[in-house]
Parts: sequence; C-alpha cells; structure tokens
Amino acid sequence: AQSVAQPEDQVNVAEGNPLTVKCTYSVSGNPYLFWYVQYPNRGLQFLLKYITGDNLVKGSYGFEAEFNKSQTSFHLKKPSALVSDSALYFCAVSIVGGRRALTFGSGTRLQVQP
Amino acid sequence: GAGVSQSPSNKVTEKGKDVELRCDPISGHTALYWYRQSLGQGLEFLIYFQGNSAPDKSGLPSDRFSAERTGGSVSTLTIQRTQQEDSAVYLCASSLASGGVYNEQFFGPGTRLTVL
Repeated sequence: AQSVAQPEDQVNVAEGNPLTVKCTYSVSGNPYLFWYVQYPNRGLQFLLKYITGDNLVKGSYGFEAEFNKSQTSFHLKKPSALVSDSALYFCAVSIVGGRRALTFGSGTRLQVQP
Repeated sequence: GAGVSQSPSNKVTEKGKDVELRCDPISGHTALYWYRQSLGQGLEFLIYFQGNSAPDKSGLPSDRFSAERTGGSVSTLTIQRTQQEDSAVYLCASSLASGGVYNEQFFGPGTRLTVL
C-alpha cells in the first residue's frame, strides 16, 4: 500500500518570505511524486512532478520541490511567497510500474499574509 | 485550449435516488480518472480508464457506484440509491498515457453532490 503524509494542516508565512510545505511518502517501490494546488471553488492544478533524474524539480509559479529518497520526502518550496499563493496544496504519489491512479495527502492550507 | 469539463457543477438529490455525473476529458487524452473529495476522507481514487483496457475499479466504495467510458472519450459516473455519505465533490481527470511514461493528470472543476 502507498500513502502520503502532509503533517501540517496549515502553514502561515509573510509575503516575501520563503515557504515550505512538507510531504513524506511511503511506497513499496520507486515513486512518482506530484504537487497540485487548489484554489477556492476550482479544480486541482498541476504544479510539478518528480519522475526521475535531478532531485530538485522546478515547476509553475516559481515553486520547486526536492526529492529526498533517504528521508522519503518531497517538500514544496518557494523562495519568496506571494499573497496570491494562498491556497490548498496537495502532495500525491504513484508507483513506478504500478497503478497510475494517485494517492493524495490530506492537503495543507497555505496562508500568505501581506 | 479546452480543459476537462464536468457536468453538472452542482447536484442536489434525495436519498435513494440515482445520479449521473459526466466528464469530458481533454481531447486526445487516453487515460481518465474519477476521484472524490470529501471532508472526512480527503481525495480518494475511484476508477481509472485507459484506452480499451479493462478499467481499474479498485477504488469504488460499493457496488452502488459504476462508471462507463464511451468511445474512449466521455465518461459517466453513476451512483445508485444515493446515501448521505455520498455527498462530496466528484473530480474527473485525464492524461496522456504512453507506454511507461507517466504524464500528469489534468483535473476538471468537479461536481458537488449533495444528498439530502
């Protein structure tokens, strides 16, 4: 079985400060890892993915994430937060060679204060 | 270009009634997924279609839930004899699927189902 943990229900950060949204995963095999963002009353939007290769992945809107195999983590980061980044963020995992459906974390609400 | 579309956007029904939710994937996407998002359970996988292969139904919570995909495009999720615990937002996603390459899923806006 595979699972994703997002230990923080909410992250608060001041505009202009760096932000980190944490994600750890558990799979039996090699993971595909994803971050999605959900704005109010809208569907999920893809931010970035790790499939293979460089551990540091860059995505949309200035976000990046670092795959750490030894810590089974895939934390989302941004050097300078914007108020418009305030949204609900989901980490998700699938298994290489396994079922393509995603297993999602519980989500982390990011609140960026002006 | 056009994204994934879902209809209706909102559906209110009475307990015991059947409902049908529709998903139009992005043109050319061969993979289609249904998920549901609820307060208590988060985002859960329901069913996955890939081309002409047999669907992966492993996420369907009960035999009241079923889905079809006609002509490799539009999909309909049917819930029979709805229960209050079926209330949730039902999300559809589609992706390109080509061999061993994993492509990201693109999500529709969802259908909010309320069972009274």
